[in-house]
Parts: sequence; C-alpha cells; structure tokens
Amino acid sequence: GQQVQQSPASLVLQEGENAELQCNFSSTATRLQWFYQHPGGRLVSLFYNPSGTKHTGRLTSTTVTNERRSSLHISSSQTTDSGTYFCAPHNYAQGLTFGLGTRVSVFP
Amino acid sequence: DPKIIQKPKYLVAVTGSEKILICEQYLGHNAMYWYRQSAKKPLEFMFSYSYQKLMDNQTASSRFQPQSSKKNHLDLQITALKPDDSATYFCASSQDLGGYEQYFGPGTRLTVL
Repeated sequence: GQQVQQSPASLVLQEGENAELQCNFSSTATRLQWFYQHPGGRLVSLFYNPSGTKHTGRLTSTTVTNERRSSLHISSSQTTDSGTYFCAPHNYAQGLTFGLGTRVSVFP
Repeated sequence: DPKIIQKPKYLVAVTGSEKILICEQYLGHNAMYWYRQSAKKPLEFMFSYSYQKLMDNQTASSRFQPQSSKKNHLDLQITALKPDDSATYFCASSQDLGGYEQYFGPGTRLTVL
C-alpha cells in the first residue's frame, strides 16, 4: 500500500522565519492534499493539488505527482502557524493515506 | 455554520460496551469517510461510502460497522469496545470518490476505560 514520508518530523521557528516541509510517497497518486491540524485537533485542508504549484496567503505547495513528492513552504512564519502539517495522497476509493506529519512550533 | 457535524464531541465508554458515533454533512457530497487518529498510530483511513454504499473497508475488525440511513449521514457503530479503540474519530466527505478534495469534521474523541 501507499507509504508517506514527511520531513522534518518537527521544526522550531522564530516568528518571521521561512520553512520548507517535504513529503514523499511510494505509489503514484493523481491528487494530494496538505492539511493543517490545530493544536486542539481540528483538521483543515490547506491545498488540494494535482501536479503544480498553488499559493494561499503565506503558504505555497508544489507537487510533482510523477516523482511522488510534494513540498509546503511557509513564508514569514507567525505564531498562529504552530500546529501539525500532514500531506495525504489520494488513493481513489481507499481514501487518503497520511504521513506522520511535521510538528511546527513558532515562537515570538 | 459547521458543514460537517460530529456528535458527540467527547465520549467515555467502559470496556465491552457499544457506542455510536454520529456524522452528518451539509455540503451536498456523495462520498463520506471515517478516519481514526490515536496516540499510537497516525491518521488512518477506515471506510469509504459512495451514495450510501460501502466502497472500501480498511479496518481489520467487524466490531466497527458504518451505518448510512441517509445520503448525508454516516454513523459508526463500535461494539465490544476495548481500551485500544481510544482515539479521535474523524468523519470526512467529498463531492465523489476518485480523488476529490476531502473535508473533515471536528472529530469525536473516544476514551475507553
């Protein structure tokens, strides 16, 4: 089955720093989603990508599905960015396969 | 307004009992899912439904039974509860199966004593 590797496992940033989160997956996927999980548990979809680059606010996601990789770039980090970020390739009827996530902590 | 409602938010149960987790979505979606997140395992896919039909089941145990009484409802019945079932259970939905964007509910945190 699909395997997802995310790196780094955790990241500590000072407010204003940039960060790059990586995701590699073992099997071809036509779509990939990036999620943010609030410290309280709520999961929010950040990006829904076929191959290509998407931007929203200070976040940029770049996915190359035929190379089975994706990245999430956070620019000018803020304390409100603290939480866990997951990437999850789609597997048709089998739902999403999640990585272990990258835990981001941003300090003022 | 929340578009995916899960009830209850928290649930405490004793070993051996049975509980039902409720999920309703108001996004007009045709596909619904259940996922589980525990301290021991990452977020894992459990079931997918499309037009109220089970499409995939990735749980090894028959103690977990999804129930779809309406197109926008997908409840999860768990019988003979064990402490290892303690987890947050997330319901999700998408327009259809086949790689559409999935949206998640707020989760039900289940603790089995």
